[in-house]
Amino acid sequence: EPEVTQTPSHQVTQMGQEVILRCVPISNHLYFYWYRQILGQKVEFLVSFYNNEISEKSEIFDDQFSVERPDGSNFTLKIRSTKLEDSAMYFCASSDRDRGELPLHFGNGTRLTVT
Amino acid sequence: RKEVEQDPGPFNVPEGATVAFNCTYSNSASQSFFWYRQDCRKEPKLLMSVYSSGNEDGRFTAQLNRASQYISLLIRDSKLSDSATYLCVVVPSGGYNKLIFGAGTRLAVHP
Repeated sequence: EPEVTQTPSHQVTQMGQEVILRCVPISNHLYFYWYRQILGQKVEFLVSFYNNEISEKSEIFDDQFSVERPDGSNFTLKIRSTKLEDSAMYFCASSDRDRGELPLHFGNGTRLTVT
Repeated sequence: RKEVEQDPGPFNVPEGATVAFNCTYSNSASQSFFWYRQDCRKEPKLLMSVYSSGNEDGRFTAQLNRASQYISLLIRDSKLSDSATYLCVVVPSGGYNKLIFGAGTRLAVHP
């Protein structure tokens, strides 16, 4: 079964540093998403992306965050200046909207630790 | 009021037991409903969609009551491998692009 793949699986960074989390969505999918989950808390929507632009974003997704699809396969989340509270699991997801329904296929996540 | 509320558990049940989870949601215009399963420190995985008429997938039965804004999941004949956190997920009206997750209900099945 096709999978969403994310790299790295674990990233440790210092506060104030920039990080880029990478995702390779399922190849025929058109809609891409980032979610995050702070340890012990619920999964939260960050942003959705379609046709090379953001279609929706949450309040969490402030100016420190950006997304990009730099080529035909990768989808990245950049955090410009990380804060301690950015420590979380970040999940990329993709969907085939043509099927007329979600579900989302999630990647196995990147654990970001900001020290 | 939280958008999606679940009893956090944990539910500790023996193998073979039947267990039921409940979920309520605040947005009456929500349009789609799902149960996801999440193992410790892993990604959420779709367990099943929830339809107004109720639906069943093997040992799992999901029900939706739109009038009460209530969703349920019933697991029959619990297996050790069912131990996980079960996430109630709602898609708001017009919100094709995002899922609203509950905090999850933890299930521990013991021998």
